[in-house]
Amino acid sequence: AQKVTQAQTEISVVEKEDVTLDCVYETRDTTYYLFWYKQPPSGELVFLIRRNSFDEQNEISGRYSWNFQKSTSSFNFTITASQVVDSAVYFCALSENDYKLSFGAGTTVTVRA
Amino acid sequence: GAGVSQTPSNKVTEKGKYVELRCDPISGHTALYWYRQSLGQGPEFLIYFQGTGAADDSGLPNDRFFAVRPEGSVSTLKIQRTERGDSAVYLCASSLIRGSEAFFGQGTRLTVV
Repeated sequence: AQKVTQAQTEISVVEKEDVTLDCVYETRDTTYYLFWYKQPPSGELVFLIRRNSFDEQNEISGRYSWNFQKSTSSFNFTITASQVVDSAVYFCALSENDYKLSFGAGTTVTVRA
Repeated sequence: GAGVSQTPSNKVTEKGKYVELRCDPISGHTALYWYRQSLGQGPEFLIYFQGTGAADDSGLPNDRFFAVRPEGSVSTLKIQRTERGDSAVYLCASSLIRGSEAFFGQGTRLTVV
């Protein structure tokens, strides 16, 4: 069974628009970790955030923010005032044992100038 | 080096041949991971090393796949009798310790013709 679902395959926005990426996960564990990674065209996965299941506080880092809602098993990611350099594939991932990541299929974000 | 280095960046091989993919982790990182990413999909876990030992190889698809890390640093992923279905990008990652932020390399794109 798929553990991480990213329902949006592709999102296209104009520069300066906000974009929200959805992530829904499935686990029976009470302790788990959630991640977001960015994969630019170069192919390297870039770590963005790690959140454990006991910390439901939302987080903001510059133009990035994350909304973790345990009640709906969601960990959504928002890019505010998008820029062309934000164009990439974004992956949400779940880890139930703090080392093995189960990735979603990814959302391709295209930011047009 | 500053980051995780993978060689070669591209490998084209004929069906049935043997290939080796190399990963140089960040110096001092004890944990090393291999993932496989097929086109349009998220990475899938293959194997996790803690030091020299394979702590979890549950993601290796079959016995044609094998990985080693003899001195606890460089790792080699070995694929015997390659099949066209093995074509994918093979990603390596390392982290200082298990559970800390994982840094990914740019991957090796393997094409089996």
